[in-house]
Amino acid sequence: GAVVSQHPSRVICKSGTSVKIECRSLDFQATTMFWYRQFPKQSLMLMATSNEGSKATYEQGVEKDKFLINHASLTLSTLTVTSAHPEDSSFYICSARRGWEKLFFGSGTQLSVL
Amino acid sequence: EDKVVQSPLSLVVHEGDTVTLNCSYEVTNFRSLLWYKQEKKAPTFLFMLTSSGIEKKSGRLSSILDKKELFSILNITATQTGDSAVYLCAVEETSGSRLTFGEGTQLTVNP
Repeated sequence: GAVVSQHPSRVICKSGTSVKIECRSLDFQATTMFWYRQFPKQSLMLMATSNEGSKATYEQGVEKDKFLINHASLTLSTLTVTSAHPEDSSFYICSARRGWEKLFFGSGTQLSVL
Repeated sequence: EDKVVQSPLSLVVHEGDTVTLNCSYEVTNFRSLLWYKQEKKAPTFLFMLTSSGIEKKSGRLSSILDKKELFSILNITATQTGDSAVYLCAVEETSGSRLTFGEGTQLTVNP
């Protein structure tokens, strides 16, 4: 069964609004979670590394004020797309590692900004 | 900067064919190479490779890593239409589980 839960799976919003995406590790504690973005027919691009209890580490070119990441507990990281615009429409996926195992991915969130 | 290159980018075969997907990489502090299958949503894990020359096998799928030449291959034998997907290769660094993905290979298996 799923070990990383992501919600919502799909969201449609108006331009200028903010959208929050949640990523939960279901049966383990994750001090680090990762947020990826994927445009159609392109690969996953790492956006940021979410660290529990500290600031996220953003990849080059990713606006930290636009994509707010909060890792408030060992099982929950949130990504908030602030003042969303149509160009932010994309597929967002989180992942987390359970111990020394492989990374587990959430089911992804398809964001459509009108 | 870490780099992962997959080839071919797209492949169309008939059921029953055998396919080989390629992945070459450049990474500063290599920890592992991973293969994922992505259909409509999130990637699903296939293999994790850390040692050279040891083939990993799961049913009709197998994969091997060459750390000297910095590449890996994913083989699928007796392909089925359900194998149609994007196959992603990713390399992981020793520091912090950061993954760098390749562009993926879009495999289409026709009946």
